[in-house]
Amino acid sequence: QLVLTQSPSASASLGASVKLTCTLSSGHSSYAIAWHQQQPEKGPRYLMKLNSDGSHSKGDGIPDRFSGSSSGAERYLTISSLQSEDEADYYCQTWGTGIQGWVFGGGTKLTVL
Amino acid sequence: QVQLVESGGGLVKPGGSLRLSCAASGFTFSDYYMSWIRQAPGKGLEWVSYISSSGSTIYYADSVKGRFTISRDNAKNSLYLQMNSLRAEDTAVYYCAGDVRGVFSYWGQGTLVTVSS
Repeated sequence: QLVLTQSPSASASLGASVKLTCTLSSGHSSYAIAWHQQQPEKGPRYLMKLNSDGSHSKGDGIPDRFSGSSSGAERYLTISSLQSEDEADYYCQTWGTGIQGWVFGGGTKLTVL
Repeated sequence: QVQLVESGGGLVKPGGSLRLSCAASGFTFSDYYMSWIRQAPGKGLEWVSYISSSGSTIYYADSVKGRFTISRDNAKNSLYLQMNSLRAEDTAVYYCAGDVRGVFSYWGQGTLVTVSS
């Protein structure tokens, strides 16, 4: 079964960097994922698509502070030079065949201290 | 710029029906796969339904199969979700999203559906 696992919460200081993790279920380590940001009381916003080799393509207007990387079944989102507006929920998302559908991780709530 | 605007949400009694709409602009709607995704209060995102660019291929999450129907009108740049036999657990903000090779690249702002007596 295609499952994405995220830590429920993370925190880091203003101006620092943080690395969020999304783990693919066993047998799915080659899958690409996407990262989405959801600021409080807003709809989600697409950040980037991240491939298993670590290559990634960002959505329009996404700052260079956001980057992605991969290692095995883990997919990472790194945010550098944290700003207050980065405080948000971050979701990873992937997709299988039509029957598998589209899958979201449970989300990580990032607090900027 | 790309814009997706959902409408049609509201308060409905259990067992009732509601039809959501999503108006698209700023991109060639007929070229894009589309999905509905929902978010229950205080919860994460859940994919609900998918429709191919032509409308010929449709998928549903098991939680809504047999109750919800997705459709689109490419001439009107619009996506729809007909929701029947609504349950309390269908209460959520419903988002439409544009799918580019599996990735939800465009999102609307959402419309709230509340199922309560």
